[in-house]
Amino acid sequence: DAGITQSPRHKVTETGTPVTLRCHQTENHRYMYWYRQDPGHGLRLIHYSYGVKDTDKGEVSDGYSVSRSKTEDFLLTLESATSSQTSVYFCAIRQGVATEAFFGQGTRLTVV
Amino acid sequence: DQQVKQNSPSLSVQEGRISILNCDYTNSMFDYFLWYKKYPAEGPTFLISISSIKDKNEDGRFTVFLNKSAKHLSLHIVPSQPGDSAVYFCAASARETSGSRLTFGEGTQLTVNP
Repeated sequence: DAGITQSPRHKVTETGTPVTLRCHQTENHRYMYWYRQDPGHGLRLIHYSYGVKDTDKGEVSDGYSVSRSKTEDFLLTLESATSSQTSVYFCAIRQGVATEAFFGQGTRLTVV
Repeated sequence: DQQVKQNSPSLSVQEGRISILNCDYTNSMFDYFLWYKKYPAEGPTFLISISSIKDKNEDGRFTVFLNKSAKHLSLHIVPSQPGDSAVYFCAASARETSGSRLTFGEGTQLTVNP
């Protein structure tokens, strides 16, 4: 199994509070991604990174920010959580442009 | 703008028969395509991929076909087994785009009946 770990695995938070999800890899892969999975929408890309300090927005980036200060960690932050951000969040890593991506186990986030 | 679409939310087949899952894309820059399988409460797992220079790739019971002119790919599972019941996602990426973003479809729930 690819060395990718998401933390926490489950979290319940209140509307308006900041939340940070962590993705940690031990594979030294260049590319890292954050997705959210919602019924009827599949996997939607939030943000991605193509190197340390190199990040870009995905299709549903509003309300989210990311940081990648070192190769192994990719952090997703919800500055002020809203109920619409209740979802399952997946991190993925990828070595190159024509390779498969490996996914973490997911983080189930509930905003109440 | 949904660049990768899976128009069938669900598919039900009998054990031993063929399962065919379909995927359409709109971005002509996509040059690498992948299929993933996902069980509940788990992360997606990679199944099979295909480069745009090919039109077919086979791995055991799984075969992916790519029709570039139609911007269409399909995943064939033969023979289907009950353990194949899962959500299947297709994904696509373009070498030229920064970061090689990986775009997924909405998924198709496959149910294989014993």
